[in-house]
This record gives sequence, structure tokens and C-alpha cells, in this order.
Amino acid sequence: QSALTQPRSVSGSPGQSVTISCTGTSSDVGGYNYVSWYQHHPGKGPKLLLYDVTERPSGVPDRFSGSKSGNTASLTISGLQAEDEADYYCSSYAGSYFLGVFGTGTTVTVL
Amino acid sequence: VQLQESGPGLVKPSQTLSLTCAISGDSVASESAAWNWIRQSPSRGLEWLARIYYRSKWYNDYAVSVKSRITVNADTSKNQFSLLLNSVTAEDTAVYYCASMRRYWDFDLWGRGTPVTVSS
Repeated sequence: QSALTQPRSVSGSPGQSVTISCTGTSSDVGGYNYVSWYQHHPGKGPKLLLYDVTERPSGVPDRFSGSKSGNTASLTISGLQAEDEADYYCSSYAGSYFLGVFGTGTTVTVL
Repeated sequence: VQLQESGPGLVKPSQTLSLTCAISGDSVASESAAWNWIRQSPSRGLEWLARIYYRSKWYNDYAVSVKSRITVNADTSKNQFSLLLNSVTAEDTAVYYCASMRRYWDFDLWGRGTPVTVSS
């Protein structure tokens, strides 16, 4: 099972919006609405930002939103803030054999 | 709920890696959670390895890539779960995380991770 493809890095100024793509196949992203996104600051455990493509856990700001079209899911961060500088990973269910797969990761830089 | 990984930071090639994840604030035998091991390395990125969960009895799922080498067990008396990975090589060098799952496929809480190096 191959990792989902994410851009290596994206950047934006405070207040701007950035979008991170997560491209898989019809066997994972395209086949199920079980895409999740994680924020990872160095030295800490990753934090769940979105699940089931668009759902936000309690406590996650609504600046973080998700969508999916075909085999590509996206995470949009609106109103970029300095604390959003981190690594971001997507993950998708991939069926009963492989179960799940993660993305390659994207570093977000706030300029 | 908090998760805390522990284990040796250095393992020799061909030996068995043993890690433990202590759970506080929930039960390893909860029938609404699954307990997972995930690792991260520069070469392989994030990789889901295994999960254990209790639904009237214990169930395990393992990643295809490590299925022949991995075992995950639960210890209800200590409220923790463990990872055993045998015949390790340098490819198993990674930061190992434990994480909980309460829906279909997302990890709602992670430990801070524990680094493991495989080297002689």
C-alpha cells in the first residue's frame, strides 16, 4: 500500500488561507469517506484536526476545514496563525486488507 | 485521557523490540475504543502498525508489512497494551506512538512517542 501523496511544503502569511492536498486512489481516499487530518508539532504527539473528511473534534477551531473530490482530499487552514506552523498529515481507511494509510506529510510555514 | 509510551531506546539487530503504552483516564478493555501502534521514520513516514480492541473478546489487526513479526497484547491489571516486534533491522528505527481510535478510522489521541534505534 503506497503512502498518500501530499505536497512537501506550503506557506502563507498570517491571515491568509492555505490548502493542503492528499492524493490517493479509489482503494483508499476515493473509496471511503474516512479521511482524517493531523497536526504535528515537533516533540509532541500528533493532534487530530478532522475526521470523516469534514468533521472537527471538539476544541478544533473552525479555521480548519476539509473536503474531498474523487481520489483527493484537502485540508484548508483559513486565517493562518503563527501557531499553525507545523507538519500536517492525512490518513485514509484503505479497506479490510491494508486497513489504513498515511500521507507523506506537509510542512506549513507561516511567513 | 492520556497515553504514555515506554521502552528501551536501543535494540540490537535481530532482537525483539518491546514497548508499552500506559493508559490513564480510560480502560484498555473499553468496548468503545481501539488501541493502536503507529511509527514514524524519515524513510517510511507515518506507518500504522497494529491495533487491539475488546468487544466481548480481544481482537487484533496488524499491518501487512509487519504481520509476520508483530504481536500486540493488553494487560488489564496494569491498564496498558504492549508491542512486540521481532527480528528487527535498521529499517525498524523510528519514533513509535500509541494512539486511541473511537470511530471508524481516525486516531483521536496520541502519546508523545518514544524513539527506538536499531543498532549493534
